[in-house]
Amino acid sequence: LAKTTQPISMDSYEGQEVNITCSHNNIATNDYITWYQQFPSQGPRFIIQGYKTKVTNEVASLFIPADRKSSTLSLPRVSLSDTAVYYCLVGDYGGSQGNLIFGKGTKLSVKP
Amino acid sequence: NAGVTQTPKFRVLKTGQSMTLLCAQDMNHEYMYWYRQDPGMGLRLIHYSVGEGTTAKGEVPDGYNVSRLKKQNFLLGLESAAPSQTSVYFCASSYPGMEGEQYFGPGTRLTVT
Repeated sequence: LAKTTQPISMDSYEGQEVNITCSHNNIATNDYITWYQQFPSQGPRFIIQGYKTKVTNEVASLFIPADRKSSTLSLPRVSLSDTAVYYCLVGDYGGSQGNLIFGKGTKLSVKP
Repeated sequence: NAGVTQTPKFRVLKTGQSMTLLCAQDMNHEYMYWYRQDPGMGLRLIHYSVGEGTTAKGEVPDGYNVSRLKKQNFLLGLESAAPSQTSVYFCASSYPGMEGEQYFGPGTRLTVT
């Protein structure tokens, strides 16, 4: 299983773009990269998933370099409501069944 | 469409007592999961199920049992609760082949004294 490393915490201000980088040096060929968001006292919420290059949805963008050993979650123009813990996960989701491994995540604090 | 619901939301048990946590989903998902989350840590997978009548162990299965008698329900049982099982328990579900995109319930906060 590919292990992920991400910063424990980050601070930002409202209106800024936030980039959270995750390192996954031993990612396997079949592994996908997935990011979740978790607010206090709530279950995690799926944000975005990708395999390579760039993926964008209405919430965030995910940048994955060619070697796939890292990935960056980009949150455009954050607001106070984006204060949460963000988890980077790596795994083979096409048949791995229970292979979703959560690390400790990055606690993002957005200040006014 | 309620998504994933969990019952109860809170519970306090004494050591040695038993209880069952109920998870229900109305999205017709084949796969369901039980996680626990302890302070300062990420989620750890306890058990999971890939379909009605099937269950499998996750990362931390000891002290727990599960059953999936109906597709929409996944039960987590503690036969003899221990203080080490004090945690927040999350249930999740997903479609097959989309295990990366799981839908989580609101959680059950369990305290064992």
